[in-house]
Amino acid sequence: AQSVTQPDIHITVSEGASLELRCNYSYGATPYLFWYVQSPGQGLQLLLKYFSGDTLVQGIKGFEAEFKRSQSSFNLRKPSVHWSDAAEYFCAVGAQEYGNKLVFGAGTILRVKS
Amino acid sequence: DTGVSQDPRHKITKRGQNVTFRCDPISEHNRLYWYRQTLGQGPEFLTYFQNEAQLEKSRLLSDRFSAERPKGSFSTLEIQRTEQGDSAMYLCASGLAHYEQYFGPGTRLTVT
Repeated sequence: AQSVTQPDIHITVSEGASLELRCNYSYGATPYLFWYVQSPGQGLQLLLKYFSGDTLVQGIKGFEAEFKRSQSSFNLRKPSVHWSDAAEYFCAVGAQEYGNKLVFGAGTILRVKS
Repeated sequence: DTGVSQDPRHKITKRGQNVTFRCDPISEHNRLYWYRQTLGQGPEFLTYFQNEAQLEKSRLLSDRFSAERPKGSFSTLEIQRTEQGDSAMYLCASGLAHYEQYFGPGTRLTVT
């Protein structure tokens, strides 16, 4: 069965510190990979995407993510976190054999301490 | 670009009542998706339209749920005979490229 795993339910980082949020997926072929951010009570905003090519992708708000095929991972990173980055982050995967939908992980809640 | 809009933003209803939600996608987007999100979970896929055709439905979409997209523009999601388990955030997304989806603010449904 398809699955997307975000191992960390909560992460707390200090403002200005670096951040890495983990995402692992279980699909056979190279999937389409996404990271979204959601503030409380709001919809999801697309941060970045990976379809093919360079495995390091840049997104909005200073975020980047790296696709590692050997580890089936697509981890999200930011070199210096701002208090406004506090939100919930979702990794999502699309794959042709699973139809038109995105399959989402359960999310990681990021807390930023000053 | 005005983004995806959804109406209403919040809906409180009593068990057994019918509710209808509306989604207006980004105007040039031909793909439209509905998802449901419960507390502490990621969104779960409900259904997908390409233009006016409903091409995919999740097994989550019981016969109490129906979605339409007349003329390939806005979409509606109706839930008949609501149950407390239907309480969730209902998210609409639209897109042009396969899988690349832009989400609306969602409709929060509370069934009492």
